[in-house]
Amino acid sequence: DGGITQSPKYLFRKEGQNVTLSCEQNLNHDAMYWYRQDPGQGLRLIYYSQIVNDFQKGDIAEGYSVSREKKESFPLTVTSAQKNPTAFYLCASSYLLAGGYEQFFGPGTRLTVL
Amino acid sequence: AQTVTQSQPEMSVQEAETVTLSCTYDTSESDYYLFWYKQPPSRQMILVIRQEAYKQQNATENRFSVNFQKAAKSFSLKISDSQLGDAAMYFCAYRSAMRGGATNKLIFGTGTLLAVQP
Repeated sequence: DGGITQSPKYLFRKEGQNVTLSCEQNLNHDAMYWYRQDPGQGLRLIYYSQIVNDFQKGDIAEGYSVSREKKESFPLTVTSAQKNPTAFYLCASSYLLAGGYEQFFGPGTRLTVL
Repeated sequence: AQTVTQSQPEMSVQEAETVTLSCTYDTSESDYYLFWYKQPPSRQMILVIRQEAYKQQNATENRFSVNFQKAAKSFSLKISDSQLGDAAMYFCAYRSAMRGGATNKLIFGTGTLLAVQP
């Protein structure tokens, strides 16, 4: 089955630690995205990538980093510089061509800072 | 910059009844796409319906339909014959029709939590 997987489902982090959230897709999509979801704020874009070895900052990139070494994978690292990392993180992917192609979402990772 | 506003944080509907969720947006672009996503308690985001701004005809998907008013920048979602499985958070989203770059990103509203009463 084609889809997007995220791991782990739940993640706990101590203050000062970096953690990496995994996102893998087998939909052959060019573009991948990371969103953060907080209560009452909808989803906000952290980073996106249109092609391997290239990525761009979204609206709230501070304290986060990404890599795109393979088309299928787009891991997100939450660094110790992120002041309030507790949130729900969603990865998405889509075709890059012009058109109303939907973004497909993974099941998400809930990150809690202890 | 584009913005999306959902002014109803919570809504409730009786099973088998009809409910309408509101969404307004602000943009200076003439060509774009609008989406409604559903997020059930599992938190999996699911596309409900999409609308191309250049199409005058309102999109319909089974029990879900939209009322797209381009001049008013309004994009409401109507759910007919509501079912218990429709209970979820619903997000309205905007995407530019320009090619590439940050224009591929979705801009989300803050969501409307829909409860379905048996």
